[in-house]
Amino acid sequence: EPEVTQTPSHQVTQMGQEVILRCVPISNHLYFYWYRQILGQKVEFLVSFYNNEISEKSEIFDDQFSVERPDGSNFTLKIRSTKLEDSAMYFCASSVGTGETIYFGEGSWLTVV
Amino acid sequence: GEDVEQSLFLSVREGDSSVINCTYTDSSSTYLYWYKQEPGAGLQLLTYIFSNMDMKQDQRLTVLLNKKDKHLSLRIADTQTGDSAIYFCAEKVTSGTYKYIFGTGTRLKVLA
Repeated sequence: EPEVTQTPSHQVTQMGQEVILRCVPISNHLYFYWYRQILGQKVEFLVSFYNNEISEKSEIFDDQFSVERPDGSNFTLKIRSTKLEDSAMYFCASSVGTGETIYFGEGSWLTVV
Repeated sequence: GEDVEQSLFLSVREGDSSVINCTYTDSSSTYLYWYKQEPGAGLQLLTYIFSNMDMKQDQRLTVLLNKKDKHLSLRIADTQTGDSAIYFCAEKVTSGTYKYIFGTGTRLKVLA
């Protein structure tokens, strides 16, 4: 069964460093998302992406975040200068269409120290 | 604003039924979802229900939707120790694009 894959599964980084989280969405999906889950808290929407541009972003997705689809298969989330409060599980997701079911990856656990 | 609420914990004995409840606020939700998250793992889609349905059954899982009260429940029949996980309710909302609003998650513990 096709699935969304994410790398790395776990990354530890120093505060102020840049981090890139990578995702390979399901191949025929056109809409891509990033969500995050701070430990013990809700899963929160960060951003949606379609046709090589951001469709919508939440208040959390400030200027230190960016997303990119650098080639035909990868979808990345970059955090420019990490803060302690960026420590969370980051989930990539994709869907065929905007109203279709969203499928999530296994998550990338980011720890900022 | 949009909000989804769940109770935090539920403990049941193996073989019993589990009922996990969820309330949501956005009356325009078209689909409601249940996801399962095992420790250290991702979000596994369990089942979903369209908002014009009252009930959906899928093997051991039964989803009940009371649209008037904006209440969703997930019943797991014959709960097994492998069902121990966090269960998230999510509603699909439209504000700009479609996105999911998740609940806090209910930690289900199944006692042998």
